[in-house]
Amino acid sequence: DGGITQSPKYLFRKEGQNVTLSCEQNLNHDAMYWYRQDPGQGLRLIYYSQIVNDFQKGDIAEGYSVSREKKESFPLTVTSAQKNPTAFYLCASSQDRSTNEKLFFGSGTQLSVL
Amino acid sequence: KQEVTQIPAALSVPEGENLVLNCSFTDSAIYNLQWFRQDPGKGLTSLLLIQSSQREQTSGRLNASLDKSSGRSTLYIAASQPGDSATYLCAVRRGVVRRGKLIFGQGTELSVKP
Repeated sequence: DGGITQSPKYLFRKEGQNVTLSCEQNLNHDAMYWYRQDPGQGLRLIYYSQIVNDFQKGDIAEGYSVSREKKESFPLTVTSAQKNPTAFYLCASSQDRSTNEKLFFGSGTQLSVL
Repeated sequence: KQEVTQIPAALSVPEGENLVLNCSFTDSAIYNLQWFRQDPGKGLTSLLLIQSSQREQTSGRLNASLDKSSGRSTLYIAASQPGDSATYLCAVRRGVVRRGKLIFGQGTELSVKP
């Protein structure tokens, strides 16, 4: 089945620790995104990538880092500099060259602080 | 600055009722608008995408309309079912170029009672 896979589903971070969230897609999409969702709020863009080896900061990039070494993969690292990391993290992808541009989402990772 | 608002935040209706969810945006310069469904603890599923040149899109019991001049979109759900219970989010792609950022509303949590 084609789709986006996020892992793990639940993740716990100790103070001062960096953690990495995985996102893999087999849809052959060019563009990939990371969003953060807090209760009662809309999704906020952390980072996005429109092509391999290139990515741009979104609206709330501080305390996060990403890489795009392969088209299929767009991992997100939550660094110790992110002081309020508890949230639901969503990865998405879209076919950037298509005028349709529907966004496809993974099932999310819930990150909590110990 | 583009802002997207969804009112009400929560809605409860009896099964079988037709209902309308609202989405408003402050800047009419949008590329497209999408409606998503999100089940608890899950990712988002794209329901309908309306290009800025279109007035509406239909899929099964769902109909989405777009009025750019008034900054409004509505999602009409016919003959609601308990399985329609979920949070519905709208998102506008900002600007008139294909790679504008996606701005999300906070969502409307819908509960359909048997």
